[in-house]
This record gives sequence, structure tokens and C-alpha cells, in this order.
Amino acid sequence: DAGVIQSPRHEVTEMGQEVTLRCKPISGHNSLFWYRQTMMRGLELLIYFNNNVPIDDSGMPEDRFSAKMPNASFSTLKIQPSEPRDSAVYFCASGYTGELFFGEGSRLTVL
Amino acid sequence: AQSVTQPDIHITVSEGASLELRCNYSYGATPYLFWYVQSPGQGLQLLLKYFSGDTLVQGIKGFEAEFKRSQSSFNLRKPSVHWSDAAEYFCAVGARSGYSTLTFGKGTMLLVSP
Repeated sequence: DAGVIQSPRHEVTEMGQEVTLRCKPISGHNSLFWYRQTMMRGLELLIYFNNNVPIDDSGMPEDRFSAKMPNASFSTLKIQPSEPRDSAVYFCASGYTGELFFGEGSRLTVL
Repeated sequence: AQSVTQPDIHITVSEGASLELRCNYSYGATPYLFWYVQSPGQGLQLLLKYFSGDTLVQGIKGFEAEFKRSQSSFNLRKPSVHWSDAAEYFCAVGARSGYSTLTFGKGTMLLVSP
């Protein structure tokens, strides 16, 4: 199994630009999660899906952030417009029965 | 709401010495408990988990953890640390009902000295 696949691994963009992060979960997992990791705040849950349906997006910082899961094998996290304070590592994780498997993350730098 | 406290931000251990990383959780019932490890530039890898049964659980890389209900703790231990164990370690708690969301502690950075 290839594990959770995220792209891009690194993204550098300028303030105001749109950023799209992508995730392919492990086949058969029915839950998908987006986390953000920063030095100051640690790991924060942004949103999670169960069977492709968003269950809780209370962790999404503001309306500039949106996430979709059009099918069981693909999810996106979009930031529009991006701001310097969005700079972080964004992790996608998939799982079932309480255990999560993480991708290697997408490191976003907004200048 | 569930929460996790890892009281040590950094710990330095000599190679070959024993290790214990502390984790305390807050949850209304018995939760699922996890330890993850993160190497620089990598994602989080599951070390071990507690769901039920024996309160001493064994994980990968020679790690073990003990669930103590009375102390709301799930401390991670290793009898002899190797230089390759240097990484950041995260304790996490998950609900037994509903969906499988995890709440993570802030992490403990383990440094291994020669």
C-alpha cells in the first residue's frame, strides 16, 4: 500500500494567491482528516470527512479555507486568498476505527 | 471536550539510557490512546495504540506504553534509547464513539546525546 499521498510537498506562494493542496487517502479508509501544524499551535484539526461527507469543519480558520472530497480517493484543501499567517505544514490523514495514517505533509510558505 | 497534556517540551537522554515520555489526558470515559512519532520533514507514524484489554501495550521500535486509568496517563517508555529515536513524539486521544477524530498533545522533542 502506498500510504496517504499528498501533493505538493512544498509550495511557496505570494500573499493573495490561491493555494490548493491535494490528498489521496489509503484505499478502504472511510475517514479523512486535514490537520495543520505550526510551531506555535502544534497540530490542529481543520476538518474531517466520513464517507466523503464533511462532518466537522469547526477547525477551519475562516472562510478563506475550504475543503472538498468529491470521491473516496481524493480530497482538496483550498486557501483563497492566502496570507502569510497560513504558512504551516498541512497534513492529510485517513483512517478507520480510531487509528489514523498520515501523509508526509505539504509545507506551505506564503510570502 | 477531550484534551492531552505532554508536560515536557524537550527531553535529552543519553544513548543506551532508558526513556519515559509523559502523557496525561482528559476525557469523560476510557478513550482510545495513541503515541505517534514524527521525524524531521516527515509525517506522523503510529508507534502504538491502546483500545482495550491489557493496559501495557507494545509498539514498534521497542516502545511500550502503560495506560493508568486512575492517573489519566499513558506514558511512553523504552528501556534503551538509540540515536535514531531522536524525533518528536505525540500523544493522542480519540473518542470511542462517533467518528475517529484524534486530539493531539503539543509533542515532546527527544534529543539523544552520545
